[in-house]
Amino acid sequence: ETGVTQSPTHLIKTRGQQVTLRCSSQSGHNTVSWYQQALGQGPQFIFQYYREEENGRGNFPPRFSGLQFPNYSSELNVNALELDDSALYLCASSLAGIRLYSYNEQFFGPGTRLTVL
Amino acid sequence: QKEVEQNSGPLSVPEGAIASLNCTYSDRGSQSFFWYRQYSGKSPELIMFIYSNGDKEDGRFTAQLNKASQYVSLLIRDSQPSDSATYLCAVKDNDMRFGAGTRLTVKP
Repeated sequence: ETGVTQSPTHLIKTRGQQVTLRCSSQSGHNTVSWYQQALGQGPQFIFQYYREEENGRGNFPPRFSGLQFPNYSSELNVNALELDDSALYLCASSLAGIRLYSYNEQFFGPGTRLTVL
Repeated sequence: QKEVEQNSGPLSVPEGAIASLNCTYSDRGSQSFFWYRQYSGKSPELIMFIYSNGDKEDGRFTAQLNKASQYVSLLIRDSQPSDSATYLCAVKDNDMRFGAGTRLTVKP
């Protein structure tokens, strides 16, 4: 157990819908990163939030957006869902922005499995 | 495009053998390198990280880094069936980039 929780565990949506995924960070962690992991692939970095501001973004379109709240919980929102959005979505919390220091260990949550039909 | 490449496997070794997992990366400026283990249906968990050229040992695990060759490897000594998992190599620049993973099976 990493202390990072995600909800829901599984989700089924249809193409064109919108979805919100939630992550609760490990206590004291002020940074959260979101990743998309398609079947048989490694996680792909979506974006990172540090102290409620976006602190970096991977190669994902603007329909992927996020929020981080004062209690450091966060949300990933995806609009206009496409079939290729079907994947495991992982959040990872750490103590400081991954861009600011050489390394602070990320702790992954269990993930949300999103299926888009 | 910055790439992190791994052999997808599967790599199969007998119990007690040494498992050798390899990873190459394209960005010569990369500074930090990580190995994660991911069991089927679970999230990744960190095994080791390495910054400097050479070897870093932690128990049965040894990470090896060669920045000139842009190569990082993970050796698992005395492999156990519980080591059967997908091993992800990751490289950190501004962002964390993962390879597709190598699936390892340790046969009793």
